[in-house]
Amino acid sequence: KQEVTQIPAALSVPEGENLVLNCSFTDSAIYNLQWFRQDPGKGLTSLLLIQSSQREQTSGRLNASLDKSSGRSTLYIAASQPGDSATYLCAVTGSARQLTFGSGTQLTVLP
Amino acid sequence: NAGVTQTPKFRVLKTGQSMTLLCAQDMNHEYMYWYRQDPGMGLRLIHYSVGEGTTAKGEVPDGYNVSRLKKQNFLLGLESAAPSQTSVYFCASNRGLDGYTFGSGTRLTVV
Repeated sequence: KQEVTQIPAALSVPEGENLVLNCSFTDSAIYNLQWFRQDPGKGLTSLLLIQSSQREQTSGRLNASLDKSSGRSTLYIAASQPGDSATYLCAVTGSARQLTFGSGTQLTVLP
Repeated sequence: NAGVTQTPKFRVLKTGQSMTLLCAQDMNHEYMYWYRQDPGMGLRLIHYSVGEGTTAKGEVPDGYNVSRLKKQNFLLGLESAAPSQTSVYFCASNRGLDGYTFGSGTRLTVV
């Protein structure tokens, strides 16, 4: 059974800092990996999708990398802002074509 | 461009009552999913559908039924609600192996 782990569970940083969120998965037979953002009491917003054949994807200040063989992904956020405060979820689409989520990293960016 | 729309957004049920949650997508996606999100448990797949007229069980299907009579709609039913079904329910859709689009969620409380 696929398991997805996100470290750290919570992170607090001062505004302007660059930061890295980590995601690991136990079964490397994945189709893709997706990073989401969830604000309190809200739904999930897709940030980046990396197909299994890709190494990284970028969107604005966000960069996500994927190392399928080692079962790892990182989400890099440059020049963090208070508006980046949210929970970040990593999810993989595995061989059963179903999405398995990590438990998330709760990010707080302090002004 | 509405994306994925869930109704209702909030509901309080008494134990034993029944209700149906509606999910509608306007992106012509083949695949649709129902998840529940609980503190400390993350997002778990309840049921999913790979096309009109099809449904399949996910990780936590007990106590729920689903129907996909039209491609754009995916209904989640609770026949006899229990307090353990208090949760936030999310619907999602995609084309199969691409990124997922999520609705804004339904917050259900069973008393």
